[in-house]
Amino acid sequence: DADVTQTPRNRITKTGKRIMLECSQTKGHDRMYWYRQDPGLGLRLIYYSFDVKDINKGEISDGYSVSRQAQAKFSLSLESAIPNQTALYFCATGQTGIPYNEQFFGPGTRLTVL
Amino acid sequence: GNSVTQMEGPVTLSEEAFLTINCTYTATGYPSLFWYVQYPGEGLQLLLKATKADDKGSNKGFEATYRKETTSFHLEKGSVQVSDSAVYFCALRPNAGNMLTFGGGTRLMVKP
Repeated sequence: DADVTQTPRNRITKTGKRIMLECSQTKGHDRMYWYRQDPGLGLRLIYYSFDVKDINKGEISDGYSVSRQAQAKFSLSLESAIPNQTALYFCATGQTGIPYNEQFFGPGTRLTVL
Repeated sequence: GNSVTQMEGPVTLSEEAFLTINCTYTATGYPSLFWYVQYPGEGLQLLLKATKADDKGSNKGFEATYRKETTSFHLEKGSVQVSDSAVYFCALRPNAGNMLTFGGGTRLMVKP
């Protein structure tokens, strides 16, 4: 089984809808991240959490919110989806003290907002 | 601020050709540098890393040398295979920070 799972893998929705993307991990890591990937722009950090009670904004948090329900779960919400939020979304995990701050990525969720 | 610039793709090569993907960075001090690879339909995974000037990271036949004087970390492989087809991301982590900054990614396509 995959260590970092994301659901759904694909989602098509309409402008104005509320969407939740979920991430679960079995690696036992304390850190979790949400990124979005756009062609030519690489990955940009949306939110990150270093512990269950810790939530931090990343580079592009506007229009998004997150919830760290447990150490193993980190969900990303789009309160009112808009077309320019169409992207590939990745969840990643990491562990405090791990060398090089290596991050471990899920398979991604492809979101299309019409 | 920190930034990473990669050559735009796609890069299309024949099997057994030599590969170079350029990466340059802007950061203060001495960041750690990474190459991540994303195979089709999968998330990113760490390919190799270097944490100080003149270090050479290597893995699976890929190499990259941390060049402080040119602020570069170019990825090379002597003989690519079809299975190397993927998107490659250069990234940095500041010396005093935890966050990764990624480049835009370079798609590599290797033809038989």
